[in-house]
Amino acid sequence: GDSVTQMEGPVTLSEEAFLTINCTYTATGYPSLFWYVQYPGEGLQLLLKATKADDKGSNKGFEATYRKETTSFHLEKGSVQVSDSAVYFCALSDSPASGGSYIPTFGRGTSLIVHP
Amino acid sequence: KAGVTQTPRYLIKTRGQQVTLSCSPISGHRSVSWYQQTPGQGLQFLFEYFSETQRNKGNFPGRFSGRQFSNSRSEMNVSTLELGDSALYLCASSLEGQGPLGYTFGSGTRLTVV
Repeated sequence: GDSVTQMEGPVTLSEEAFLTINCTYTATGYPSLFWYVQYPGEGLQLLLKATKADDKGSNKGFEATYRKETTSFHLEKGSVQVSDSAVYFCALSDSPASGGSYIPTFGRGTSLIVHP
Repeated sequence: KAGVTQTPRYLIKTRGQQVTLSCSPISGHRSVSWYQQTPGQGLQFLFEYFSETQRNKGNFPGRFSGRQFSNSRSEMNVSTLELGDSALYLCASSLEGQGPLGYTFGSGTRLTVV
């Protein structure tokens, strides 16, 4: 079945440091890939997405490129801020479930802590 | 516009009891999905409702059930609570056909079973 593997956290960085959170996936088809972010006490928010190979998703300074050859979708940001402290989830959506809708598979999340 | 509203925010229940959680989707969203979030398992899909019908169900025991009303509000129920049911329960609403591309999550209900 489908699966998503993320690097274990927490990732601890100083402000303005470069961020990489690794994500690799296993899927039977050609999935869409997503990064979600969860700030403390809140639900998940879609951060960025890519729907086909070599697509680059970007938002709020974060980027991730869909690499089919390495089945990866690593999240990067050039200069993190304290306000980026959150939990980041990588997810994929493959072929539709029996009910016809797309049910995403999530990674376990990576906590990012940014110090001033 | 108002977001996805989940009530209550926090719950403490005793083993063996039952609990009902509520999710009010964004106006116009007719699809509601429920997830269980735990530190050990991450996010696991519980079920999805659309137009008052359960469209998909995850791999959870029958103690977990849900329903959706004509106004798209959804409830989930857990009977005979176990300690392992302690988790953050999240719901996500979306327009029909958008799936995760269009998910808007609520802030969740934190359930603690003692």
